[in-house]
Amino acid sequence: DAMVIQNPRYQVTQFGKPVTLSCSQTLNHNVMYWYQQKSSQAPKLLFHYYDKDFNNEADTPDNFQSRRPNTSFCFLDIRSPGLGDAAMYLCATSRESSGPRETQYFGPGTRLLVL
Amino acid sequence: AQKITQTQPGMFVQEKEAVTLDCTYDTSDQSYGLFWYKQPSSGEMIFLIYQGSYDEQNATEGRYSLNFQKARKSANLVISASQLGDSAMYFCAMREPSGNTGGFKTIFGAGTRLFVKA
Repeated sequence: DAMVIQNPRYQVTQFGKPVTLSCSQTLNHNVMYWYQQKSSQAPKLLFHYYDKDFNNEADTPDNFQSRRPNTSFCFLDIRSPGLGDAAMYLCATSRESSGPRETQYFGPGTRLLVL
Repeated sequence: AQKITQTQPGMFVQEKEAVTLDCTYDTSDQSYGLFWYKQPSSGEMIFLIYQGSYDEQNATEGRYSLNFQKARKSANLVISASQLGDSAMYFCAMREPSGNTGGFKTIFGAGTRLFVKA
């Protein structure tokens, strides 16, 4: 089945130790998004790619970076994780980035724990 | 100011009963989309239903329907015949033009946790 896959589902890292979360999609969608969701809160958009064009949200900390080497894969790099970065990280895709109708399809998320 | 407001942090409903989850939104754009997502404890956000700002009819998808009151800027989700598997977090979201990128951006509400009682 076509889907959005995130690995790993659970990630434990140490304070300050770089960590990479991965996302892949078989939907062949142009747009890939990364959201951060803290406990009992709404997902917060960190950035998105339209093809290879990177769009960073104004309030996304510099500690968060992303790479999209090809259409199918997108990575979230956290350079120096702090305790406040512990959260669920959701990857999503959509066919296009414009238009009100575009539905986003989400992966199962990676729950990050920072020790 | 909040763009998407979900005033019910938690809701209880008896199995097989209907339940309405409230959502109000704030936008000055004419073209926008409204979505509802379900998030079970496993974490995955599942798309449920969509309503476009120009759609005159309320959207329906199986047991889900969206009560769209444009003048009131509300987009309430109605779940009929609740099932135990409906217990989850429900997010209302709005997709509107984003001034920064020229595209559209999706904004989520804080969510409502629904508990279905047997």
